[in-house]
Amino acid sequence: QKEVEQDPGPLSVPEGAIVSLNCTYSNSAFQYFMWYRQYSRKGPELLMYTYSSGNKEDGRFTAQVDKSSKYISLFIRDSQPSDSATYLCAMIQGAQKLVFGQGTRLTINP
Amino acid sequence: NAGVTQTPKFRILKIGQSMTLQCTQDMNHNYMYWYRQDPGMGLKLIYYSVGAGITDKGEVPNGYNVSRSTTEDFPLRLELAAPSQTSVYFCASIHAGQGTYNEQFFGPGTRLTVL
Repeated sequence: QKEVEQDPGPLSVPEGAIVSLNCTYSNSAFQYFMWYRQYSRKGPELLMYTYSSGNKEDGRFTAQVDKSSKYISLFIRDSQPSDSATYLCAMIQGAQKLVFGQGTRLTINP
Repeated sequence: NAGVTQTPKFRILKIGQSMTLQCTQDMNHNYMYWYRQDPGMGLKLIYYSVGAGITDKGEVPNGYNVSRSTTEDFPLRLELAAPSQTSVYFCASIHAGQGTYNEQFFGPGTRLTVL
């Protein structure tokens, strides 16, 4: 079993839709949960991070963590074509090492 | 600040050749990392360093070597290149403190093909 599981998609939605991206994980020791956005042929860039359980909102983006279910989500409201990218969830192990999900490729259609 | 820079951007190697991927950061970060990303996959950790002179293996270290003689530089060496090492390689760095989270910054990547 992989430590972090993420549906690779691809996911295609119309502009303005609400997008839900999810990951599950197996290591209950994870405390920090990140979402990275990666545009084609670019390096990942941090979108949001959450510590422990709960919600965090930043503009059109909301990150949720449910540690009891080992399940994290990223919601994108009013999705825009510029949101088209691959979204990677990641969690921190010791020495700040990142463990990544497979990434979900998202396309927002105008 | 230039952030994390990587050279070269692209490289094609023949099987059995060797090369060094360069990574430099100008943010005085103490921790540095090398990841690889295969097509349609997430990133996997190859090696990391928590300071000059200190390196350790990640999830997929076989076929690679690293060194960290300065805070700024963290080169990744491929010996005897194999087709399985065809991937995009990302270097990253962070200023790690005790019990805190700090953003890990990624370089633009090196796209390597081994034929």
